[in-house]
Amino acid sequence: NAGVTQTPKFRILKIGQSMTLQCTQDMNHNYMYWYRQDPGMGLKLIYYSVGAGITDKGEVPNGYNVSRSTTEDFPLRLELAAPSQTSVYFCASSYSGEMNTEAFFGQGTRLTVV
Amino acid sequence: DAKTTQPNSMESNEEEPVHLPCNHSTISGTDYIHWYRQLPSQGPEYVIHGLTSNVNNRMASLAIAEDRKSSTLILHRATLRDAAVYYCILSRNTDKLIFGTGTRLQVFP
Repeated sequence: NAGVTQTPKFRILKIGQSMTLQCTQDMNHNYMYWYRQDPGMGLKLIYYSVGAGITDKGEVPNGYNVSRSTTEDFPLRLELAAPSQTSVYFCASSYSGEMNTEAFFGQGTRLTVV
Repeated sequence: DAKTTQPNSMESNEEEPVHLPCNHSTISGTDYIHWYRQLPSQGPEYVIHGLTSNVNNRMASLAIAEDRKSSTLILHRATLRDAAVYYCILSRNTDKLIFGTGTRLQVFP
């Protein structure tokens, strides 16, 4: 049981490049989330999904896109990378949206845009 | 979303109990109180949650004030591994966790 797996762990992008951060979970959770965490700050919600085919914006969605074609996978797409997107990105999942359940987080992807 | 207020930092000695406070004066009747912690260079991990009654699990205890406007996370015997940022989060049975800046706990040997 791997839990929530994120790839890659580290990435350096040039300004204007694009990339996809991968997230997969093997717990059959219907809810999945993407967060970013800037140095010394708390986590900010980027996008979330309540099930396959359904996504919604969080607190800081600009510059990102997501898709949810399967229950297991929730990739995050950066189309035109900017230095302001330098951050650590965390994916999470939970069994349902009712927040009396535990959310599980991945180990993060550290992204640097230069 | 209802707001929480936590001290920026706290200190403790190893083997001593730690009481981490959280104020949430605008909490609604359907808000659950969640605590997560984030160890250095790791993703957050669940600690405990509750609605009205005090809760205990293998990691910690959660004491909730009778009026629910504040709560306290209790680590009964701090270890060096408990050094982390602790987040107190309210949720209204919606589908997202909104994090604040949390309390950075330092544990000294």
